[in-house]
Amino acid sequence: NAGVMQNPRHLVRRRGQEARLRCSPMKGHSHVYWYRQLPEEGLKFMVYLQKENIIDESGMPKERFSAEFPKEGPSILRIQQVVRGDSAAYFCASSPRGGTANTGELFFGEGSRLTVL
Amino acid sequence: DQQVKQNSPSLSVQEGRISILNCDYTNSMFDYFLWYKKYPAEGPTFLISISSIKDKNEDGRFTVFLNKSAKHLSLHIVPSQPGDSAVYFCAAISSGNTPLVFGKGTRLSVIA
Repeated sequence: NAGVMQNPRHLVRRRGQEARLRCSPMKGHSHVYWYRQLPEEGLKFMVYLQKENIIDESGMPKERFSAEFPKEGPSILRIQQVVRGDSAAYFCASSPRGGTANTGELFFGEGSRLTVL
Repeated sequence: DQQVKQNSPSLSVQEGRISILNCDYTNSMFDYFLWYKKYPAEGPTFLISISSIKDKNEDGRFTVFLNKSAKHLSLHIVPSQPGDSAVYFCAAISSGNTPLVFGKGTRLSVIA
């Protein structure tokens, strides 16, 4: 049973370009979470999605960032017009349960490391 | 406003001794507390958790203690092994669709 798959593992972009990060959850998991880790910081929640729905995007910056989890295919985190401050590790996690059944046990991917030049 | 705090960025322990990692929280609505372990260039992996209605949970060499009145929890690893060297994140969650909240992590080095 494959784990959470993220790609690309490393991505280099110049300022102003777009970055697209993809995440395929574990088989049978319909809940996807994106977290960002800045250097020397903990993991900061960005967005929580279920298939075709955004459940909680309270951690997403208001501009340039968007996320989706379509009916078919991986979840995508999209960053438009990247700036140097977007350089970070972006982790995707999945779980088989959400809402009141979510006890916090998430399965994380290995992360996508974005570097903005 | 940090709801989960790990005040020690790093900890060094000799192999075979006990490692104690500490975590404080501010939100009394948290229902579950968890510890995640992270190696470099990998994603975090779940290690152990505790419900807010308990004060201790043990799994092999790992024990988590919860002191709700002090809003404090700790992870004990005994005996510590070199393979335990990693960054340990404390995390907490409330029931419902609220997100899992992480501390900044403590880097544990177990010296042989």
